[in-house]
Amino acid sequence: GQNIDQPTEMTATEGAIVQINCTYQTSGFNGLFWYQQHAGEAPTFLSYNVLDGLEEKGRFSSFLSRSKGYSYLLLKELQMKDSASYLCARLDSNYQLIWGAGTKLIIKP
Amino acid sequence: ETGVTQTPRHLVMGMTNKKSLKCEQHLGHNAMYWYKQSAKKPLELMFVYNFKEQTENNSVPSRFSPECPNSSHLFLHLHTLQPEDSALYLCASSSRDREYTGELFFGEGSRLTVL
Repeated sequence: GQNIDQPTEMTATEGAIVQINCTYQTSGFNGLFWYQQHAGEAPTFLSYNVLDGLEEKGRFSSFLSRSKGYSYLLLKELQMKDSASYLCARLDSNYQLIWGAGTKLIIKP
Repeated sequence: ETGVTQTPRHLVMGMTNKKSLKCEQHLGHNAMYWYKQSAKKPLELMFVYNFKEQTENNSVPSRFSPECPNSSHLFLHLHTLQPEDSALYLCASSSRDREYTGELFFGEGSRLTVL
C-alpha cells in the first residue's frame, strides 16, 4: 500500500541524540520530506531528500536509502524546544505527498 | 509567521450551520491546499488548486465545498457537517508544476468542532 510507517512516540533526554525512523513504499518515489509540528502550530519544513545519503543542517540531519525504502531524522544536542511531532512524507509518482501519522518526540530534562 | 494566514483559528458549529474557513498566502505561490488533520492520523489531502484551478479532489464529501477566487485566497465552505468532521483543517501553499512539488508552507490551522 501507500503506508508510511514511523513510531508513534519517542522520549529522549535534553542534550542527547535521537533518531526517528520512517519506512515507506519504494515504488513511484520522488523524494522524502520531514516536517516539524509543535503542538497547536503549523507544520514547518525541515528537510527534503531525493538522493541516497545524509543531508546535514545544523543539529538536524536526514538520511535516505531509496533501495530500502528507509529514512531517518537525526536530532543532536537535543533542546527542550525540540519537543514536537515529526512528520515524514513521501512524494509519489504523481507528485502527491503521502504522509505518515507523525512521531511525537518528548524531551525530558 | 509562515506567510499563510488562516481564519478563524477556532470554530464551533452545529450540524445544521453553514460556515467558511479562509486562507490567504502572501508568498506568491501558485498552488494551495486544504488538509484535514485528526489526532494520531496522517494528514489527509482534501483539495488542491493550481493557478486557481482545482486539480485534486480526494473523494471529499460534498458537505465540504472549496473556492479559490485567485491564487492568493482559498476558502472551505462547510454545511451540514457531522461530528466526525471535527478536526484541525490546515491550509498550505507551494510552488508547483508538473514535475515538482516544492516544500509546503502551512497556516496554523482552523480547529473545527462540530456539535
